[in-house]
Amino acid sequence: QVQLHESGPGLVEPSQTLSLTCTVSGDSISSGGHYWTWIRQPAGKGLEWIGRILSVGSTNYNPSLKNRVTISVDTSKNQFSLNLSSVTAADTAVYYCARRYCSSDSCWFDSWGQGTLVTVTS
Amino acid sequence: QSVLTQPPSVSAAPGQKVTISCSGSSSNIGDHYVSWYQQLPGTAPKLLIYDNNKRPSGIPDRFSGSKSGTSATLGITGLQTGDEADYYCGTWDSRLTAGVFGGGTKLTVL
Repeated sequence: QVQLHESGPGLVEPSQTLSLTCTVSGDSISSGGHYWTWIRQPAGKGLEWIGRILSVGSTNYNPSLKNRVTISVDTSKNQFSLNLSSVTAADTAVYYCARRYCSSDSCWFDSWGQGTLVTVTS
Repeated sequence: QSVLTQPPSVSAAPGQKVTISCSGSSSNIGDHYVSWYQQLPGTAPKLLIYDNNKRPSGIPDRFSGSKSGTSATLGITGLQTGDEADYYCGTWDSRLTAGVFGGGTKLTVL
């Protein structure tokens, strides 16, 4: 059973950098084949895909956030991380990490963290 | 504005059937498999359907999925009050090289 757990500050000041870490258990990030993803959800709104990373470090980012987002992986700790710079109130949301399981030419989000609320406020 | 279009809400009586549509384009639904997620209030999304129409173990066969061209549909039969949730479709978009979701549909079981 794969489990993911988000951790990081719940409050971030405007213009600062939001940093979150996702710790994975029950699967090894370094085993490859799956995408490790960040998704967010502002209160009362829908899901927004932020970006993903493979164990080898290759990434894809949401074009609307691309200039501010960095996702990295630490295979020794079985963790991957999100950095979002120059945050504003619009970045206030519940942030989820998820595993995008891939089989052949198809992928889907089969495991999710419980989510962590990040509020941007001074 | 979400890349995939879903109706904001649907409703039906207990025991009835409901369908939720998800409309996209050739670069997303038209070219990739669709998955569906159920989000109960205050919880993380949960996988309901993958590969357009497959159910993970533990998901009852009251839930079904289909895809035709650039649209996908989630069907739920024998509605129960416990099915009240937000439902999201998701896939990959080749043009954006990014994951995309629908805006979500709130299901009310009257």
